[in-house]
Amino acid sequence: DTGVSQNPRHKITKRGQNVTFRCDPISEHNRLYWYRQTLGQGPEFLTYFQNEAQLEKSRLLSDRFSAERPKGSFSTLEIQRTEQGDSAMYLCASSLAGTGGGRSAGYTFGSGTRLTVV
Amino acid sequence: AQRVTQPEKLLSVFKGAPVELKCNYSYSGSPELFWYVQYSRQRLQLLLRHISRESIKGFTADLNKGETSFHLKKPFAQEEDSAMYYCASQRNSGNTPLVFGKGTRLSVIA
Repeated sequence: DTGVSQNPRHKITKRGQNVTFRCDPISEHNRLYWYRQTLGQGPEFLTYFQNEAQLEKSRLLSDRFSAERPKGSFSTLEIQRTEQGDSAMYLCASSLAGTGGGRSAGYTFGSGTRLTVV
Repeated sequence: AQRVTQPEKLLSVFKGAPVELKCNYSYSGSPELFWYVQYSRQRLQLLLRHISRESIKGFTADLNKGETSFHLKKPFAQEEDSAMYYCASQRNSGNTPLVFGKGTRLSVIA
């Protein structure tokens, strides 16, 4: 296992097009997170999954955004009808959380997908 | 709502000088606090967690509940410490996502 993998590394798209990003977490990690990072800002939470269940979505996640983790392994983040304001680094992270709701270990992040909307 | 504040965008120190990166959090409960680091051209990675009470690469951080702070300290800065540092908090149940500060860029000058 080589850690959290994200594809593609870079994506340039025209405004109005749809894009999809993929994240492959560490195999034994049951939680998967999506964050967005813009210049000068820290990572901002978008959504997260425990296994295949999407447990929380940020208000940042407009209805143009959708995320899935169909088999509790890899996840996809789709942005429909992209806008220039969607340009950002999209980060994926995974962690292992106890089923008893105990404290989780720190997150392991991927390298991110940099989206540029022109 | 949780908030994490890192008041300095940039901190420049000379090699061998002490370093303190400030972090304040707002959460009425007992949060878990973390420091993450991002070196040039590398991914974001965990540096240390307050519950571990550990020293990593010479860095330590103490949770001060009275001041709601979790400042990162190192007595003698090294050039290889130059990086972006992010403070993050999480509710102590571990069932909510991490909330990050905006980050502080540390530049260690030779």
